[in-house]
Amino acid sequence: EDKVVQSPLSLVVHEGDTVTLNCSYEVTNFRSLLWYKQEKKAPTFLFMLTSSGIEKKSGRLSSILDKKELSSILNITATQTGDSAIYLCAVDREETSGSRLTFGEGTQLTVNP
Amino acid sequence: ETGVTQTPRHLVMGMTNKKSLKCEQHLGHNAMYWYKQSAKKPLELMFVYNFKEQTENNSVPSRFSPECPNSSHLFLHLHTLQPEDSALYLCASSQGGPGTSGANVLTFGAGSRLTVL
Repeated sequence: EDKVVQSPLSLVVHEGDTVTLNCSYEVTNFRSLLWYKQEKKAPTFLFMLTSSGIEKKSGRLSSILDKKELSSILNITATQTGDSAIYLCAVDREETSGSRLTFGEGTQLTVNP
Repeated sequence: ETGVTQTPRHLVMGMTNKKSLKCEQHLGHNAMYWYKQSAKKPLELMFVYNFKEQTENNSVPSRFSPECPNSSHLFLHLHTLQPEDSALYLCASSQGGPGTSGANVLTFGAGSRLTVL
């Protein structure tokens, strides 16, 4: 059975801090790993990673995949209160019909002013 | 607004009621999904429809009944639910058909918060 484990489950930091969120996975026929941000209701897409060692960046957020270690990290530098959210990691496996994402439990990030 | 619209946003129902959740996507995507999100649990995939055909039913109890009349609309019919079915139900859609790389980036709706009394 596919499995995604995120850590920590909860994190409280102050504005300006840098945070690193972790995601490890066990999946058959891995295709990609995805990060989503869930602020209130709808998770919104952040990154999709398919190749090891290639960093994806978007502003203060960056992420990298390590296929050897079956893991990924999501970094947020100079955090702001607007970064407070649940960060979801999901892995996708090769399927013949659409997507088959397995999600982790999520990391609840709280950024205090 | 993500392009995926869910109604109602909140629903309270008794165990003997019958209700439906609705999802509509305006993105031209080919696949649609129902996920369940309970407190302190990962999102659970419930159903997948690809080009209106159900391709996955993830061992969901029969008190949940999906319907996909076309590739833009998805329903989840609810009847004789249990209190443990209270959760946030998220609809999502994705681009692309079988085996395409675009299929794995989901666009989610804002969800329907269901409370079963």
